[in-house]
Amino acid sequence: DQQVKQNSPSLSVQEGRISILNCDYTNSMFDYFLWYKKYPAEGPTFLISISSIKDKNEDGRFTVFLNKSAKHLSLHIVPSQPGDSAVYFCAASLAGKSTFGDGTTLTVKP
Amino acid sequence: SQTIHQWPATLVQPVGSPLSLECTVEGTSNPNLYWYRQAAGRGLQLLFYSVGIGQISSEVPQNLSASRPQDRQFILSSKKLLLSDSGFYLCAWSVNGNTIYFGEGSWLTVV
Repeated sequence: DQQVKQNSPSLSVQEGRISILNCDYTNSMFDYFLWYKKYPAEGPTFLISISSIKDKNEDGRFTVFLNKSAKHLSLHIVPSQPGDSAVYFCAASLAGKSTFGDGTTLTVKP
Repeated sequence: SQTIHQWPATLVQPVGSPLSLECTVEGTSNPNLYWYRQAAGRGLQLLFYSVGIGQISSEVPQNLSASRPQDRQFILSSKKLLLSDSGFYLCAWSVNGNTIYFGEGSWLTVV
């Protein structure tokens, strides 16, 4: 049973447009959510996080939205840049352990 | 600032051979330490985590084991590798248990 799901394996957007990456989870006990960016053959890099007591967190071009009732979070990247092309993982944390989705490959076309 | 290093970066091992991946963290004390694996085209699977020296929790039954001989050292081992052990192994650390930070990763190919 996969507790964190990223249903879109890939996403392609034009440079300058908005990228929206989605993530769903099943365990309502998760209390912290994170997004990571990963390039091939490298470790994931932490991007942004949100506590379960909030519904939005913004950091520059990156905004994470949390909808607890729907058990859904999303990452918005505005404006998208070619350097944003990578695999994005969402993660949900409980008691110090993070569960990851399978990732979404984002391609930003110039 | 905190840094994490793991090695070797790449290794090719025959089936049935042993494995040892090492990871060290610098710049912090008593971190939580983790070993994750990413199989081809899949997400990150938590294998082991440790909240202190000698304290190891296993998440997935398998022929791998982990040890934490020192506060900032975490080792992933196997006595006999299987083909299915191939993958990208990631060491990670955390202070608060929420945000975790990853090392560079180690590519293991079992042949």
